[in-house]
Amino acid sequence: DTAVSQTPKYLVTQMGNDKSIKCEQNLGHDTMYWYKQDSKKFLKIMFSYNNKELIINETVPNRFSPKSPDKAHLNLHINSLELGDSAVYFCASSHSGGGGQETQYFGPGTRLLVL
Amino acid sequence: AQKITQTQPGMFVQEKEAVTLDCTYDTSDPSYGLFWYKQPSSGEMIFLIYQGSYDQQNATEGRYSLNFQKARKSANLVISASQLGDSAMYFCAMREGRSTGFQKLVFGTGTRLLVSP
Repeated sequence: DTAVSQTPKYLVTQMGNDKSIKCEQNLGHDTMYWYKQDSKKFLKIMFSYNNKELIINETVPNRFSPKSPDKAHLNLHINSLELGDSAVYFCASSHSGGGGQETQYFGPGTRLLVL
Repeated sequence: AQKITQTQPGMFVQEKEAVTLDCTYDTSDPSYGLFWYKQPSSGEMIFLIYQGSYDQQNATEGRYSLNFQKARKSANLVISASQLGDSAMYFCAMREGRSTGFQKLVFGTGTRLLVSP
């Protein structure tokens, strides 16, 4: 069974559209994250949720709205898509403890292309 | 300022040889975690190894070991007996923040490793 899954894997859409990416984890983790990997492969955190509560919001445009219906799910909705939103979006999850428990496990990524 | 620095954009190694991928970090927090991830051409991010700032011994996981030099603030990844399947992008990352849920990973720019037969 896949530990962290994301759908869809690929998303091709027109500028101005609204789209959603879904993420689910079956690892029993209490914290989930969204990261963006740009065309130069640089990874940067966007959001983190702990027990369904938004904890980190890293200066992301408010066109991006995460939602966590429960601890195992974290979705990302993007309004009015722009060309610059083209990237790979990774969901990740972890425990919130230390000592290695906080190791983040990543989903397979969603490749978003905005035309 | 860069918090994680990977100075090697690309590395080449022959199969069965060992290779070291460099990573230096910058933090004033005494409690932190260091991670290495592998990203093959298929795109997924695979966790390889973890080192905690208070760990006395270098972490090892199979053919992967982390050469942790705290005073130098370096956390180099050593891959022994390289295999063709090790060809991938490798990212060093540091866990920032201690409070529950505030623990985000800050990534380096990555090193692309190519293993030749």
